[in-house]
Amino acid sequence: DGGITQSPKYLFRKEGQNVTLSCEQNLNHDAMYWYRQDPGQGLRLIYYSQIVNDFQKGDIAEGYSVSREKKESFPLTVTSAQKNPTAFYLCASSSFYREVYTDTQYFGPGTRLTVL
Amino acid sequence: GENVEQHPSTLSVQEGDSAVIKCTYSDSASNYFPWYKQELGKRPQLIIDIRSNVGEKKDQRIAVTLNKTAKHFSLHITETQPEDSAVYFCAASELRDSTLTFGKGTMLLVSP
Repeated sequence: DGGITQSPKYLFRKEGQNVTLSCEQNLNHDAMYWYRQDPGQGLRLIYYSQIVNDFQKGDIAEGYSVSREKKESFPLTVTSAQKNPTAFYLCASSSFYREVYTDTQYFGPGTRLTVL
Repeated sequence: GENVEQHPSTLSVQEGDSAVIKCTYSDSASNYFPWYKQELGKRPQLIIDIRSNVGEKKDQRIAVTLNKTAKHFSLHITETQPEDSAVYFCAASELRDSTLTFGKGTMLLVSP
């Protein structure tokens, strides 16, 4: 777990602003994931990436964007188009073996975003 | 897509009792089922997982069972302790893309 870091821990945003959440891992994992957590809702997948320079939408991608320019980094931008962005955001990473084996996902410490 | 249902949403037990949390999944292609524990304000941490070629797995006080025919799996915690109090999440994944679909969580409270 210590190999995945997220920053900042707390983030406050005014309505209409875009913000970028950082996620870095030094575990040499190919796959990285972004989840959103709301009280009583579990974890919902926003975006995921299985290889550098490629990513796919998850279940709730609207209003979010990502990039994967480096293997160790997967930043998430929360845009002004996201209508209810206040939530706890969790990044995860894992090894990836397409259609062979599903590896464990390890989570970062999270970023709590609050829209003022 | 996959849908995971988790029950109960809250569970209160006395210290030393057993606790059971149940999950069902919809996609018969799912073959990996992890369980995560999340303490308040912290990151989820894997406590045990099971794959579809195994029916049961144990790790000290924790066990997971899987019934592929019925598409359900359960977490069993024996001899509960106050430090077991947390939110527990089940999840399911298939080989196609290795993404996880999570249940909505169970808040376990163990009273001394």
